[in-house]
Amino acid sequence: DAKTTQPTSMDCAEGRAANLPCNHSTISGNEYVYWYRQIHSQGPQYIIHGLKNNETNEMASLIITEDRKSSTLILPHATLRDTAVYYCIVRVADDYKLSFGAGTTVTVRA
Amino acid sequence: KAGVTQTPRYLIKTRGQQVTLSCSPISGHRSVSWYQQTPGQGLQFLFEYFSETQRNKGNFPGRFSGRQFSNSRSEMNVSTLELGDSALYLCASSLIPGNTIYFGEGSWLTVV
Repeated sequence: DAKTTQPTSMDCAEGRAANLPCNHSTISGNEYVYWYRQIHSQGPQYIIHGLKNNETNEMASLIITEDRKSSTLILPHATLRDTAVYYCIVRVADDYKLSFGAGTTVTVRA
Repeated sequence: KAGVTQTPRYLIKTRGQQVTLSCSPISGHRSVSWYQQTPGQGLQFLFEYFSETQRNKGNFPGRFSGRQFSNSRSEMNVSTLELGDSALYLCASSLIPGNTIYFGEGSWLTVV
């Protein structure tokens, strides 16, 4: 599986957009980019995933570069409840398990 | 639509005891997997079930076992508990194996 690289931590102002980068330079053509987050003491929460095209849902937008070597998760209007560890992973469609790296600790400040 | 439900949320057990954790997947989801999460080891895969059959198993001792019922609900059991088994145990479900995985809130197990 390809590995991902994320910044260790980042701060964001409440109400502003949070842009979380992820590098996956060795991604294979059949690997999807997934994002999860984990708020302290809770289970990981699925956010969004994509293969090649940009994706948007009610939680976030996912921008994948044309060469697919990196992506950005965008939280359009961060709130204090978005404070969490965000995990970017790559996964083939039939992979039966998930592996999380260290992720990015995002702190949203008032 | 209800999410993945795990019970109990918190429990304290003594070394040597056994514990059973329960999981109800999202309605319609037939694949269930279990993970252990600790600060030191991170997220570790335990096992995966589909149609009442264990399809994959992680690198855990035989004290860790599980099963899936015909309604897709699942249980995992840990026997002869050790202090090192203290962790957050997560159940996750997907429509079928390989689809997007959704996690429950987890069961916090403390072994004293």
